[in-house]
Amino acid sequence: GENVEQHPSTLSVQEGDSAVIKCTYSDSASNYFPWYKQELGKRPQLIIDIRSNVGEKKDQRIAVTLNKTAKHFSLHITETQPEDSAVYFCAASLYNNDMRFGAGTRLTVKP
Amino acid sequence: DGGITQSPKYLFRKEGQNVTLSCEQNLNHDAMYWYRQDPGQGLRLIYYSQIVNDFQKGDIAEGYSVSREKKESFPLTVTSAQKNPTAFYLCASSILGETQYFGPGTRLLVL
Repeated sequence: GENVEQHPSTLSVQEGDSAVIKCTYSDSASNYFPWYKQELGKRPQLIIDIRSNVGEKKDQRIAVTLNKTAKHFSLHITETQPEDSAVYFCAASLYNNDMRFGAGTRLTVKP
Repeated sequence: DGGITQSPKYLFRKEGQNVTLSCEQNLNHDAMYWYRQDPGQGLRLIYYSQIVNDFQKGDIAEGYSVSREKKESFPLTVTSAQKNPTAFYLCASSILGETQYFGPGTRLLVL
């Protein structure tokens, strides 16, 4: 089955800097890669997703890139703000079934 | 994800007791999912269902049971066979092949 690894487990940046979180997956058939943000005690919220027929997707300060050959995808957050502080999870699946999540990255943005 | 609800918010289980967690959605989604989240860790799939009266085991189904008698409802029972049930339980739903949206979660504690 699919296995997703996520790095780093913790990330601390200064406000205004960029943050990058990387994930690798094992099943080359996976075709759907969402990213979720989870604040303490709350539900995960989808922030961006990408499908395997696209190499990059951007939404304001957030972007995701996908390298199918290397089987890795990354989340990029630019101009970070304190409210970006949360745990971020990547995931991979085939047609959104049987989704596998990474272990999460705790991002802290220092004012 | 305002259309997916979970109850109760907190649940206490005594030794040897079965408890049932509720998950309801009014989004007309075909697929529903149950995940377990332990502190500082990612989400692990317990069960999922793509259609009424059918469901599949995820990675950690042992000690859990589900039913899908109605499209809107996907209750999870934590049986006495689950020896370490303390965790945050998240239900999600989606249109087949599309993004999963999460409920607010149920925190299960053992007395």
